[in-house]
Amino acid sequence: GEDVEQSLFLSVREGDSSVINCTYTDSSSTYLYWYKQEPGAGLQLLTYIFSNMDMKQDQRLTVLLNKKDKHLSLRIADTQTGDSAIYFCADAEAGGADGLTFGKGTHLIIQP
Amino acid sequence: KAGVTQTPRYLIKTRGQQVTLSCSPISGHRSVSWYQQTPGQGLQFLFEYFSETQRNKGNFPGRFSGRQFSNSRSEMNVSTLELGDSALYLCASSPASTVTDTQYFGPGTRLTVL
Repeated sequence: GEDVEQSLFLSVREGDSSVINCTYTDSSSTYLYWYKQEPGAGLQLLTYIFSNMDMKQDQRLTVLLNKKDKHLSLRIADTQTGDSAIYFCADAEAGGADGLTFGKGTHLIIQP
Repeated sequence: KAGVTQTPRYLIKTRGQQVTLSCSPISGHRSVSWYQQTPGQGLQFLFEYFSETQRNKGNFPGRFSGRQFSNSRSEMNVSTLELGDSALYLCASSPASTVTDTQYFGPGTRLTVL
């Protein structure tokens, strides 16, 4: 079946850029999403990218998609303490019969 | 617009009991999906409803069921609870008729089975 992989932890200094990486296996993925989860909360949609795009920028967030390598990244510029959370990469295959497939999430830790 | 709401936020049940969780989607959204989140398995898709019909289903046993009402509100039911059913249950709604449309999540219901 399809799979989405992420590293479990990322530690960055406040003010630096954070880059969270994700790889997926499903070649029929049509949409790829980034969600943020803070402790005790649900999932907050951050941004998404269609599979026919290479890049999408939204304020401090930049998403890069390398479809050939099935690699997705989320860059957060000027990382702040409020960015501390778990970030999930998710994909939706064409037809969406299996809902969204999520990675295990990357814990973003901000050092002062 | 109000976001996705889920009730109750917390539940404690014992093994063998059954439980019903409720989800109210964003106004105008017709698709509701349910996910289970556990530390071991992560986020897993349970099922998706659209216009009162179950359109897609994940790989969960028949003890997990759901329904959707004419106002798009949805409920999920878990019968004969097991310890492994302890999880955060998340509901997501989306506006259009394809499940690949962007999904907006509620805060979740934290179920603890003792």
